Amino acid sequence: EDQVTQSPEALRLQEGESSSLNCSYTVSGLRGLFWYRQDPGKGPEFLFTLYSAGEEKEKERLKATLTKKESFLHITAPKPEDSATYLCAVQAMYQTGANNLFFGTGTRLTVIP
Amino acid sequence: KAGVTQTPRYLIKTRGQQVTLSCSPISGHRSVSWYQQTPGQGLQFLFEYFSETQRNKGNFPGRFSGRQFSNSRSEMNVSTLELGDSALYLCASSLADGRGTEAFFGQGTRLTVV
Repeated sequence: EDQVTQSPEALRLQEGESSSLNCSYTVSGLRGLFWYRQDPGKGPEFLFTLYSAGEEKEKERLKATLTKKESFLHITAPKPEDSATYLCAVQAMYQTGANNLFFGTGTRLTVIP
Repeated sequence: KAGVTQTPRYLIKTRGQQVTLSCSPISGHRSVSWYQQTPGQGLQFLFEYFSETQRNKGNFPGRFSGRQFSNSRSEMNVSTLELGDSALYLCASSLADGRGTEAFFGQGTRLTVV
């Protein structure tokens, strides 16, 4: 059965304190792994797509990496505005269509000034 | 360019009623998907429409249905509402180029069933 597990469920960081969020997945052939950020009361905002093990992508203070079993979202020197829930989602090879994604339950990040 | 637009933003309905939610995708995007988000279950896939045809469906009862129009706009309908249908309903659009194409989400419609 395809599964996505994110850890930790919640994370509190001091401003400037770097850390990593984990997304472990089991899927019958990975088509793509996606990271999203979601603010309270809003829809998820797309961050990254990773397609194959070894791939890395960066955007400002965020860097996403992918292995055959998990993905990490590294946050370097976070700021209070990085506080949000970070969602990981996967699409399996057998899933047709562009948007049929399995989502994890997210990591709720709080960055304290 | 304009993002994904969902209307209405908030709805309060009574158990047993039906409801229709609307989604306008990003211009040029032909694929529209719907997701239900609840605190306990997270984001769960409802269905996807592409070129006016339902292409994929998640594990939801038949009370949940949808359609897509020729301009790619989509509607989702829930009949015989139950208390457990209270959730944030999200619409996502993408180019659907055949790979793991990123999906762009709207702000969602918050449905409360009383």
